[in-house]
Order: sequence, then structure tokens, then C-alpha cells
Amino acid sequence: AQTVTQSQPEMSVQEAETVTLSCTYDTSESNYYLFWYKQPPSRQMILVIRQEAYKQQNATENRFSVNFQKAAKSFSLKISDSQLGDTAMYFCAFLQYSGAGSYQLTFGKGTKLSVIP
Amino acid sequence: ETGVTQTPRHLVMGMTNKKSLKCEQHLGHNAMYWYKQSAKKPLELMFVYNFKEQTENNSVPSRFSPECPNSSHLFLHLHTLQPEDSALYLCASSQDRTNSYEQYFGPGTRLTVT
Repeated sequence: AQTVTQSQPEMSVQEAETVTLSCTYDTSESNYYLFWYKQPPSRQMILVIRQEAYKQQNATENRFSVNFQKAAKSFSLKISDSQLGDTAMYFCAFLQYSGAGSYQLTFGKGTKLSVIP
Repeated sequence: ETGVTQTPRHLVMGMTNKKSLKCEQHLGHNAMYWYKQSAKKPLELMFVYNFKEQTENNSVPSRFSPECPNSSHLFLHLHTLQPEDSALYLCASSQDRTNSYEQYFGPGTRLTVT
């Protein structure tokens, strides 16, 4: 079974600073996708960034970037110039083909990020 | 807000009650999902529907009964729940089950079982 581990239950960062959230995963497959989802307090979960495992280049979306280390099975999220609106739970997720035309999305337990003014 | 809506947003029910959660997506997707989100636990996939057909049931107790009348609507019927079923229930949709790499989530229903 695939597992996704987020070792930091809670983190905080000063506004305008940079923070890195860690994620590791376990798989024996070579083709898969990785995601970071953001769930603000009492708001909907939204996709922040995704990475295809076959791509060596790290994905970037504005202030959000990832450090994808395939050999180490590590997928960290870096948030630059942190803003108060970045306060949220962040979930790392792993998507892999599970057979019969289906994909299985597995989530980590989440990291609660607080941006401090 | 995304194109996935859920009602009600909050629900308190007794263990002998029967209630239903509703999810609607306005994205033209064909796959819909129910997840359970409990504190300090990863999201748990409960059910998957692809083109109105249930394709996955992850060993969910029978007191949870899903229904998908069409690709835009998904229900979760609840009866004789237990206090440990209290959680945030999230609905999500994707283009279809073979293209589920981007799932769009609803705001969730916060369920409390008393």
C-alpha cells in the first residue's frame, strides 16, 4: 500500500518569510503524480501544485514551488513571501494507477501552517 | 469557491436518526468521490462513482449508503451512525476515474453524531 508521511503536524512562519513543508512517500512504481492541497480554515480544499514523476524539473506556481527528489521519495513544498492568506492545512497527496482503469489518491495527515503577522 | 457544492454544511444527528448529505458538481465531471476527514488522520476515501456506477467501496460500514442518480449529483445516506462517525465529509469530482489526477473538492459537511 502506498503511504504518504508529513512529519510536521504544525508549523509557523513570519509574514513575508519562506517556509518549507516536508513530505515523503513510499511506492515501488515509477509513474505517479504528487500534489499539494491547501485547506484554509472553514474553506474548500484546493490544489496548490502538482508534479509528474517523469518530469525532472520541479514544478512552480507563483510563490509555491516544490523540491522533488525521486530517488529519496521526497516532495517538499516551499512557500516564498508568506502571506496571511497562506494560513491553512496543507496536504501532500500521491496518485498512482491502481488497475482496472482507476487511480488511487492517497493523502498525508496534513501540516497546519500559521502565518504570523 | 469551486464548482462543487455540498449541503448541509453542518449537521447534528442522533444515533437513531436518518439523514442525507448532498453533493452537486457544476464542472461537467463524470467521477465523484466521498471522503471522510477526521482530526489527525489522513483523508479516507469512502466511495467512488464513475459515470454513475460505483467503482470503489473502501470497506465502509453499511450505515453509510451512497447514491449517484446522475453524474452531477452524489448523496450519502446516513442511518444509525455512531459517535466515531463524527467528521468532515468531503465530496470531490474529477473529469473521470481514469483522469482523476486533479480532484475538485466541495466545502464539506461537518457531521456531529450525538
